[in-house]
Amino acid sequence: QITLKESGPTLVKPTQTLTLTCTFSGFSLSTSGVGVGWIRQPPGKAPEWLALIYWNDDKRYSPSLKSRLTITKDTSKNQVVLTLTNMDPVDSATYYCAHRLGGGSPIFDYWGQGTLVTVSS
Amino acid sequence: DIQMAQSPSSLSASVGDRVTITCRASQNIISYLNWYQHKPGKAPKLLIYAASSLHSGVPSRFSGSGSGTDFTLTISGLQPEDFATYYCQQSYTMPLTFGGGTKVEIK
Repeated sequence: QITLKESGPTLVKPTQTLTLTCTFSGFSLSTSGVGVGWIRQPPGKAPEWLALIYWNDDKRYSPSLKSRLTITKDTSKNQVVLTLTNMDPVDSATYYCAHRLGGGSPIFDYWGQGTLVTVSS
Repeated sequence: DIQMAQSPSSLSASVGDRVTITCRASQNIISYLNWYQHKPGKAPKLLIYAASSLHSGVPSRFSGSGSGTDFTLTISGLQPEDFATYYCQQSYTMPLTFGGGTKVEIK
């Protein structure tokens, strides 16, 4: 059974760096084809894909946020970490991590429940 | 970026109704189209991938069709647990993009 859970601060100040951790079980990020992605959803808006990391440490980022995003993995801890620098109120959203369905194009078959992050001074 | 336009943005339906949601891509995405169901406070769920393939464990009343730029999600016989928001997502190319969502409400 695949499960994912996001953790991190619920409130950050403008200009600060957000660090979120995705802790998962039921799969290994050292297995060929596996990937974990991050997606966010501002209140009342559409989901926005942020980043994706593969089992071979290949990383992909949303071009609009690439300069501010970093995704890393710790295979031994079954964790993926996302950092987003220079936070702004427009970055307030629920942040989700998700497991990539193996093989082919990036499809997210299991998601965490999300963590709500508010950016405010 | 590929833009994904969903319609309608919301709809009201009754239990047992047949519901159809459409998603249009701004360019040809072949069949790289996925559908998700999302309920407030819950993890989004994958329903359909590759336009028409039913994800494991998803009831057969859900079906998907289409190719190129126009896609459809159909719920045949709406159940109480189906009231939720539905999103399409293209996985043809990066950046991955989602539609704006369709909220299915109880009539």
